[in-house]
Amino acid sequence: EAGVTQFPSHSVIEKGQTVTLRCDPISGHDNLYWYRRVMGKEIKFLLHFVKESKQDESGMPNNRFLAERTGGTYSTLKVQPAELEDSGVYFCASSQSRQGYEQFFGPGTRLTVL
Amino acid sequence: EDQVTQSPEALRLQEGESSSLNCSYTVSGLRGLFWYRQDPGKGPEFLFTLYSAGEEKEKERLKATLTKKESFLHITAPKPEDSATYLCAVQARGGSYIPTFGRGTSLIVHP
Repeated sequence: EAGVTQFPSHSVIEKGQTVTLRCDPISGHDNLYWYRRVMGKEIKFLLHFVKESKQDESGMPNNRFLAERTGGTYSTLKVQPAELEDSGVYFCASSQSRQGYEQFFGPGTRLTVL
Repeated sequence: EDQVTQSPEALRLQEGESSSLNCSYTVSGLRGLFWYRQDPGKGPEFLFTLYSAGEEKEKERLKATLTKKESFLHITAPKPEDSATYLCAVQARGGSYIPTFGRGTSLIVHP
């Protein structure tokens, strides 16, 4: 069974540019989560999809971040325009459980904003 | 505000030298406590979920325990392949399912 995949694995962009991260969850997992880890800090929740609907987006830092989940399958996270403080590793996870038990994480996308 | 503190930040062990990692938490009613293992360049890998004080779970050389204030991850006779960062996260009762993570303990097991 394929795990959670994320693309790209690394992205280096200039401040002010736009970047789109993609996550493909495990097939059949309705619940999809985005997290971010800034260097030296803990992993922080960004948002939670149940199928194509946003269940909780309270962790999104500001309106420069836009997440979508087309047809309840893959998800994208767009940062526009990117700022220096957006640098970090963005993880996606999926789960069969709405309560978020036993989440399966992807390998992450390392974003560097210069 | 929910808080998770993991100690030590880093731990070096010799192969076969058993030890424990600590996860102290403050949460307004615990729904679940999770342990993950993370290897360099990879995402966290789920290990255990604990739900109530007194609960224990085991997997190979790992054993997780839970009290009302903390959780321990006991590593018995570790091997070099157990080297990784171990993350703890808690989920509070209530409408939100947002987990709060600790910063992790980096474990290195020397052969």
